[in-house]
Amino acid sequence: EADIYQTPRYLVIGTGKKITLECSQTMGHDKMYWYQQDPGMELHLIHYSYGVNSTEKGDLSSESTVSRIRTEHFPLTLESARPSHTSQYLCASSASGSPGPEAFFGQGTRLTVV
Amino acid sequence: AQSVTQPDIHITVSEGASLELRCNYSYGATPYLFWYVQSPGQGLQLLLKYFSGDTLVQGIKGFEAEFKRSQSSFNLRKPSVHWSDAAEYFCAVGARAAGNKLTFGGGTRVLVKP
Repeated sequence: EADIYQTPRYLVIGTGKKITLECSQTMGHDKMYWYQQDPGMELHLIHYSYGVNSTEKGDLSSESTVSRIRTEHFPLTLESARPSHTSQYLCASSASGSPGPEAFFGQGTRLTVV
Repeated sequence: AQSVTQPDIHITVSEGASLELRCNYSYGATPYLFWYVQSPGQGLQLLLKYFSGDTLVQGIKGFEAEFKRSQSSFNLRKPSVHWSDAAEYFCAVGARAAGNKLTFGGGTRVLVKP
């Protein structure tokens, strides 16, 4: 079944640790996105990619980085986690060939930095 | 730049009553409009979308939305809510010209009373 997967679902980690949040999609979509969502708040785009080897910063500044080496994989990395990075991170994908910019979302990763 | 406003942060409705969630958007051209639902700790699920054509669109779970260009609105409705409709609802606007990136409103939390 075509889908978009995020791992881990929940992560509690100490300050200063390096972390990578995984996102994979099996829908063959060329475009992928990372959104950050604080509890009870709206979603803010932090990274996006239009295809392999293409990555751009989103509307909200983030200390995280992303890579897109394979179409289906779009991991997000924090080199040194801080409590201010505590948030929910949502990955999404969409296809250029679809009638409109419909995005499909993963279940999210809830990150807590202690 | 595109923007979305959801004027109601919280709405409480009795089970079986009707529900209407407001959404106003700002975009220079014909927008692509979406409503997503998010249950606690989950990702976003697409309820419905408007790309063009009939201004009244039907979605999943008995939801519908009406696009009104003159009012720059895309309000979501359901005739009779169920307890399982308690969730956070997000309106979003997107554009192919913006690389399929979505801009979200702040969300409306719906509470359902027995």
